[in-house]
Order: sequence, then C-alpha cells, then structure tokens
Amino acid sequence: AQSVTQPDIHITVSEGASLELRCNYSYGATPYLFWYVQSPGQGLQLLLKYFSGDTLVQGIKGFEAEFKRSQSSFNLRKPSVHWSDAAEYFCAVGAGGSARQLTFGSGTQLTVLP
Amino acid sequence: DAGVIQSPRHEVTEMGQEVTLRCKPISGHDYLFWYRQTMMRGLELLIYFNNNVPIDDSGMPEDRFSAKMPNASFSTLKIQPSEPRDSAVYFCASRLGGRGLNEQFFGPGTRLTVL
Repeated sequence: AQSVTQPDIHITVSEGASLELRCNYSYGATPYLFWYVQSPGQGLQLLLKYFSGDTLVQGIKGFEAEFKRSQSSFNLRKPSVHWSDAAEYFCAVGAGGSARQLTFGSGTQLTVLP
Repeated sequence: DAGVIQSPRHEVTEMGQEVTLRCKPISGHDYLFWYRQTMMRGLELLIYFNNNVPIDDSGMPEDRFSAKMPNASFSTLKIQPSEPRDSAVYFCASRLGGRGLNEQFFGPGTRLTVL
C-alpha cells in the first residue's frame, strides 16, 4: 500500500523568503504525485502533478516540485513567498490503474510573516 | 464549468439524526470520490464510484455510513444515525478516468457538526 509522509506539520517563513515543503512517499511502482493547497474553509486546489518526464515540474502560482526517485521525495518549492500563500499544503500519491485513488500526507501548515 | 458542487456547505445536527450530504461532479467525469477530513486522521478516502457503480467502500467507517450515485450527475453520502465523532469536513471529488495524469477536482466541502 502507498503512503506519504510530510515531516513538517507547520512552517513559518517571511514574505519574500524562499520555501521548501518536504514530501516523502512509499509506493511499489512509479508513482503519480500531486501537490494540493487548501485555503481556510476551501476545498483542495491542485498546484502541480507528476508521473514521468522532466523531474522538475512547474505548477501554478509560481510553485515547482522536484521528483527524486533515489530519495523517494517530491519536495515543493517557491523562490519568493507571498502573504497569499499562507494555507495548508498536501502531498498525495496516486495508485496505479484508471481510478488513481489518492493517499494524502498529513499536510503542512504554512504561515507567512509580513 | 462550475466545478464540483457540494451541499449543504454547513450542517449542524443532533446525535441520532440522519444526515445527507450531496455532490454534483464535473460533467463528463466518470470517477467520484468521497473523503472525510479531521484533525486526528487527516484526509481519508471513504468510497469511490466509477460510472455510478461503487468500486471500493473499504474506507467507510461503519454501517451507519452509506453512499449512492443514482446517476452521473449526483451522489449522496448518508449517515444514519449520526454521532458526535462523525463531525468533520466531507469532500467530494471527481476525475476523468483513463491512462493520463488526470487529477481529482475537489468540491468546497461540507462541514458537519453533530452535537
């Protein structure tokens, strides 16, 4: 069975600083990987996704993520954080097959200081 | 497209009452998923449907929970009787099937409070 670990429960950064959110996965085959963001009281919005190809993936809102098979990681990065990026971020791994059921990590809450 | 629509957005009920949550998936999507989000357990998959047929309900916590999808544009998640520990945010998501990297689109969620 697949699993996802997000080791950082809460991260605080200053506006304009760089950001990296960690994600480690466990899956027996080539994983389908996703990062979602959840603002307070909202549903989840997809930031980016990866299955194959270039291991550096660009997403919306200036986010990018790098797939590292050797480390079973899919870390999310942003070079300069904006106050509006404050939210909870979820990494997810999708199972194979057409359904592609998602297993989510426990999430990382991002606080942005002015 | 309006996205995934869920109703109600908030539900407050008393223990023992029946609760019905509703979901309208994105038109053309053939997979529908129900999730529950709590502080203790995070996001959990409860059940998913493919072409209106329930495929995997292993995440449904107990017999008090049931889900139906009578047609391609409507699904319900019912809790009967409800208990305080059912308090959570329930999300519906839909996805276009196939071999591509098609993501799940989430609704805004229903926040359920059982008193």
